[in-house]
Amino acid sequence: DTGVSQDPRHKITKRGQNVTFRCDPISEHNRLYWYRQTLGQGPEFLTYFQNEAQLEKSRLLSDRFSAERPKGSFSTLEIQRTEQGDSAMYLCASSSGQGARYQETQYFGPGTRLLVL
Amino acid sequence: DQQVKQNSPSLSVQEGRISILNCDYTNSMFDYFLWYKKYPAEGPTFLISISSIKDKNEDGRFTVFLNKSAKHLSLHIVPSQPGDSAVYFCAASGGSSNTGKLIFGQGTTLQVKP
Repeated sequence: DTGVSQDPRHKITKRGQNVTFRCDPISEHNRLYWYRQTLGQGPEFLTYFQNEAQLEKSRLLSDRFSAERPKGSFSTLEIQRTEQGDSAMYLCASSSGQGARYQETQYFGPGTRLLVL
Repeated sequence: DQQVKQNSPSLSVQEGRISILNCDYTNSMFDYFLWYKKYPAEGPTFLISISSIKDKNEDGRFTVFLNKSAKHLSLHIVPSQPGDSAVYFCAASGGSSNTGKLIFGQGTTLQVKP
């Protein structure tokens, strides 16, 4: 089991460009979460997938953000027309989906650090 | 609306002594709590968790205490080691959400001095 992986680890882009991040969860984990962390703050929830279904989106996820999880495996997070305020660490986490009442551990990937110039 | 708060931005302790990190929450519907440790440029690493039906959970050097009436939890690390130096986040789930999303505190930076 190799854990949650994310690609790329770092991304520098110019304002107005589109970027896409990928997350590969732990094998056979049904639940996948995206979070965003800015300097000095804890991670903030963005969106949640149960298999391929996107079941919750945060108000933080503006219409410039879109996430997918085709076939319930890896997930992508796309940001269109990036703004300087999008600069942050984007974290992906997965959990097995076997826990009762969602009382289970989420395992995080290393994150993608985005810098928008 | 900060539902999970870690009021101490930093903590410094001597190696071998006890480290106590604190966390307060406001939503009485939270029913699962976790502590994560984070090094710079890495994702959070899970340390220990506790369900709201318990008031204590222990794993090696790490013990988490939950006081539901006070809406307070704490993480005790005994004995503290220099390798424990990192940012520690508490997180909670439950409440009105049924998706398991985690609500994090702002983090406490722990420095363990040799």
